[in-house]
Amino acid sequence: NAGVTQTPKFQVLKTGQSMTLQCAQDMNHNSMYWYRQDPGMGLRLIYYSASEGTTDKGEVPNGYNVSRLNKREFSLRLESAAPSQTSVYFCASSPLGEAFFGQGTRLTVV
Amino acid sequence: GQSLEQPSEVTAVEGAIVQINCTYQTSGFYGLSWYQQHDGGAPTFLSYNALDGLEETGRFSSFLSRSDSYGYLLLQELQMKDSASYFCAVRSSGNTGKLIFGQGTTLQVKP
Repeated sequence: NAGVTQTPKFQVLKTGQSMTLQCAQDMNHNSMYWYRQDPGMGLRLIYYSASEGTTDKGEVPNGYNVSRLNKREFSLRLESAAPSQTSVYFCASSPLGEAFFGQGTRLTVV
Repeated sequence: GQSLEQPSEVTAVEGAIVQINCTYQTSGFYGLSWYQQHDGGAPTFLSYNALDGLEETGRFSSFLSRSDSYGYLLLQELQMKDSASYFCAVRSSGNTGKLIFGQGTTLQVKP
């Protein structure tokens, strides 16, 4: 049982480049989330999806877009990367109370 | 909006008991959960409270008082491997909705 799988694990982008972070879960959870975590900081919610076909903004949505492709997959897109988006990105899924996280994507924008 | 407050750092000795507090402000409330994160790793789920009272899972317990907008995580028989960051998180918009995290508490366990 893979749980929550994120790809890629590491990425370096140049300012202005675009990329999509992929996330898939095999636990049949309705809710999925994207967070960013900066050094020594907590997890800040970027976007979330309460169910297939719906997405909502979180605390820090600017500069990002998301797509809930189906119940399993929830992708995060950076259209024009900026150095301020250098961070570790975590995807999570949740049935109700608890959330399960992927291993994270370490993104550096130079 | 939602906000959560927890202490930034806690230090304790091996074998002791430590309590990490979390106070929250939210327009709606559907549950408080706790997560552990080791350096360089992903957060892992520890405990969840939807109703008032104590939930016990092995060495870890979590308490919730909805009237006080307050909860805590209790770690007993501390081990060196418990050194990590601990986050509380509140679900504030339905059972499948927004999940907001606190800033985290770094626990250092000393021999």
